[in-house]
Amino acid sequence: QKEVEQNSGPLSVPEGAIASLNCTYSDRGSQSFFWYRQYSGKSPELIMSIYSNGDKEDGRFTAQLNKASQYVSLLIRDSQPSDSATYLCAVNNQAGTALIFGKGTTLSVSS
Amino acid sequence: GAVVSQHPSRVICKSGTSVKIECRSLDFQATTMFWYRQFPKQSLMLMATSNEGSKATYEQGVEKDKFLINHASLTLSTLTVTSAHPEDSSFYICSAQHPRHTEAFFGQGTRLTVV
Repeated sequence: QKEVEQNSGPLSVPEGAIASLNCTYSDRGSQSFFWYRQYSGKSPELIMSIYSNGDKEDGRFTAQLNKASQYVSLLIRDSQPSDSATYLCAVNNQAGTALIFGKGTTLSVSS
Repeated sequence: GAVVSQHPSRVICKSGTSVKIECRSLDFQATTMFWYRQFPKQSLMLMATSNEGSKATYEQGVEKDKFLINHASLTLSTLTVTSAHPEDSSFYICSAQHPRHTEAFFGQGTRLTVV
């Protein structure tokens, strides 16, 4: 069974710090990896996508992928209180297939 | 961008009644749409994959006669919760597969409360 694992948290960081979110997946055939942010009562919104090993940076966000270790992470630099949300890791093995989600990590950024 | 609209955003219904939720892709054609369910403090769980013009594929443990899915056009999929019970109360979210993007795009979600 395909699984995506995340620490549920909560992960608490002070404003301005770096938040590090981690995710592992079981299906070696996975090809696409995504980080979504979800506020309470709202639908997920895409933060980052990554498809190849290494780092991908977009503003304050950096996604890291290591397929050999089946590991993907998200770093949030200069964390802001507005970043407080649940972050969902998702993977799929080809376009057109459903995303498999982790349970999410709750991030709390204190001012 | 790719916009997916889901309606209604909230619905309260009596036990035993049926509720229909619509998912529309507004600016692209989606041959595949997905329906998820999310209970409080839980992750999104895939219920079914909806393919235009064919029967939906349901995940293990999801009752296809209770959760009716229709994908009659390339821009519309509907989920009907039949004979709803309080345990069906949940947050239902659809997503649509864009033909030129790997990621799926989500609707706003529907909060269903069965009383």
